[in-house]
Amino acid sequence: AQSVTQLDSHVSVSEGTPVLLRCNYSSSYSPSLFWYVQHPNKGLQLLLKYTSAATLVKGINGFEAEFKKSETSFHLTKPSAHMSDAAEYFCVVSRFYGQNFVFGPGTRLSVLP
Amino acid sequence: EPEVTQTPSHQVTQMGQEVILRCVPISNHLYFYWYRQILGQKVEFLVSFYNNEISEKSEIFDDQFSVERPDGSNFTLKIRSTKLEDSAMYFCASIPPPPAADTQYFGPGTRLTVL
Repeated sequence: AQSVTQLDSHVSVSEGTPVLLRCNYSSSYSPSLFWYVQHPNKGLQLLLKYTSAATLVKGINGFEAEFKKSETSFHLTKPSAHMSDAAEYFCVVSRFYGQNFVFGPGTRLSVLP
Repeated sequence: EPEVTQTPSHQVTQMGQEVILRCVPISNHLYFYWYRQILGQKVEFLVSFYNNEISEKSEIFDDQFSVERPDGSNFTLKIRSTKLEDSAMYFCASIPPPPAADTQYFGPGTRLTVL
């Protein structure tokens, strides 16, 4: 069975400072990993994905994530936070094409002026 | 860019009533999904649908739930007799055919409120 842990339920950063949102996964097989963002009262938007190609993945809005198999981690980073980054972020794992996604509990990112 | 659409955006119903939530997946996609997110909780898988039948379902998806693709474009989730605990945001998703990607494209969601 697969599972996803997001170690922080809430992260607060100042505008212009780096963002680190942590994700660890458990999967019996080589997984596909995703980060989705959900702005208040909005749907789920794909930020980036890892599907066994390059371990450092670049996404939209300046976000990137690094897949580390030895640490079973897929942490999301951004060098400089913007106010518009304030949202809920979900780390997601999937094992194979067509299988349902397993979501982490989410991390709420607050960006302070 | 094509999008998954969902209607209505907000549905209010009385406990015990039937509701149908509608989704229009992206046209060439093959797998379709329903997820729900109870307020303040994580997104949970309900059911996946492929080739006009249920592919996989979770423990949440009991006999009061059903899905249908009635006309080749719409994908519906029916809750037969709603309970207070069914209040949640319901998301529809779909994925394109291989080898495009296994990325799921999500709709904006339907907020269901059961009174």
